[in-house]
Amino acid sequence: DGGITQSPKYLFRKEGQNVTLSCEQNLNHDAMYWYRQDPGQGLRLIYYSQIVNDFQKGDIAEGYSVSREKKESFPLTVTSAQKNPTAFYLCASSGGGTDTQYFGPGTRLTVL
Amino acid sequence: GQNIDQPTEMTATEGAIVQINCTYQTSGFNGLFWYQQHAGEAPTFLSYNVLDGLEEKGRFSSFLSRSKGYSYLLLKELQMKDSASYLCAVPPGTASKLTFGTGTRLQVTL
Repeated sequence: DGGITQSPKYLFRKEGQNVTLSCEQNLNHDAMYWYRQDPGQGLRLIYYSQIVNDFQKGDIAEGYSVSREKKESFPLTVTSAQKNPTAFYLCASSGGGTDTQYFGPGTRLTVL
Repeated sequence: GQNIDQPTEMTATEGAIVQINCTYQTSGFNGLFWYQQHAGEAPTFLSYNVLDGLEEKGRFSSFLSRSKGYSYLLLKELQMKDSASYLCAVPPGTASKLTFGTGTRLQVTL
């Protein structure tokens, strides 16, 4: 049963703490992406990776970091430098000869 | 750069037909995607158009005109479960990235 998983679904953190969001896929996709969505707004690209051990900044990378040590995994760390971290975070992947991106269920992060 | 415009909100009646428009300006063109997103959930893929014309997939159809920088999503026989946001997205020159519009929130009423 192939797909993309994100955990946890809801996450609460205190201001000033770093937090890491998990994203795993078993679709054998080469490319993975992280987006942020704020209420009433579209998706904004944070980071993306087209191949293992390589990643590029998206439109709003400041205050975030990622790693891509395995093809299946693309964790996102929200650092204390991110000014407004409360948002809905979505991970996606693409591959298999198409550019269609498929999304995980998302993690809703609330910083108190 | 990329610029994508969609209406913010639309309302339609159950059983009716609704057309959701999307206009775009891109430095390069590698196709156009439509996604559906229910409140609080992840987007799900609906369609991908790379050539001009209409592509039909059940109750949903998507149209593209590359010369006009224009696409629309047509939903027929509307059902209450179609109440969702519909996102238009285009890849810039690097095809693997997507730039999303802000989405059109569709409310289906009785």
